[in-house]
Amino acid sequence: DTEVTQTPKHLVMGMTNKKSLKCEQHMGHRAMYWYKQKAKKPPELMFVYSYEKLSINESVPSRFSPECPNSSLLNLHLHALQPEDSALYLCASSQVQVGYEQYFGPGTRLTVT
Amino acid sequence: KQEVTQIPAALSVPEGENLVLNCSFTDSAIYNLQWFRQDPGKGLTSLLLIQSSQREQTSGRLNASLDKSSGRSTLYIAASQPGDSATYLCAVDNAGNMLTFGGGTRLMVKP
Repeated sequence: DTEVTQTPKHLVMGMTNKKSLKCEQHMGHRAMYWYKQKAKKPPELMFVYSYEKLSINESVPSRFSPECPNSSLLNLHLHALQPEDSALYLCASSQVQVGYEQYFGPGTRLTVT
Repeated sequence: KQEVTQIPAALSVPEGENLVLNCSFTDSAIYNLQWFRQDPGKGLTSLLLIQSSQREQTSGRLNASLDKSSGRSTLYIAASQPGDSATYLCAVDNAGNMLTFGGGTRLMVKP
């Protein structure tokens, strides 16, 4: 099973809302990632978790708050977002050791109104 | 800072053609290079992973090569089909599980 699942598929939220994105994998991977992809652009790395600890934060604004409650689950909590945060949010996972493939989920299409 | 460039940005070919997509990167100190496919509005599907010590990888009609010293990789697609239409992204890992993506090549294969 090489599947990464993400919920919800689509999310529309106002600038004052609080919402969360969820990502799950059952491949035994101990590295998990959040990427942001704007239309017609490549994905950009936001956060990396390694062994459930945040190892990389690519200078992401604090209105995005990641959480890794266990080795299979990754959340992205959203609060006070701006319209320019509208994008496809992709989750990925891999082995922690360098040199392994990253497997991506289908993404959550976020629209901020 | 690693920069990854993909040429061409878009490509339209008739069905059955063999084609080559190009990827170049500025920092040759990489761990590996990964090719992905992305359908519109969807996630990324991993196609091939080439380790820095390897020269090529093959999967079905796909063959990817890597020339680390010159900072180049190519993805060869044999006998293209309309179902191959998608955006193809290459991504380089040169910081330990941190991928830097190229801008992608949008491929359309016409029946």
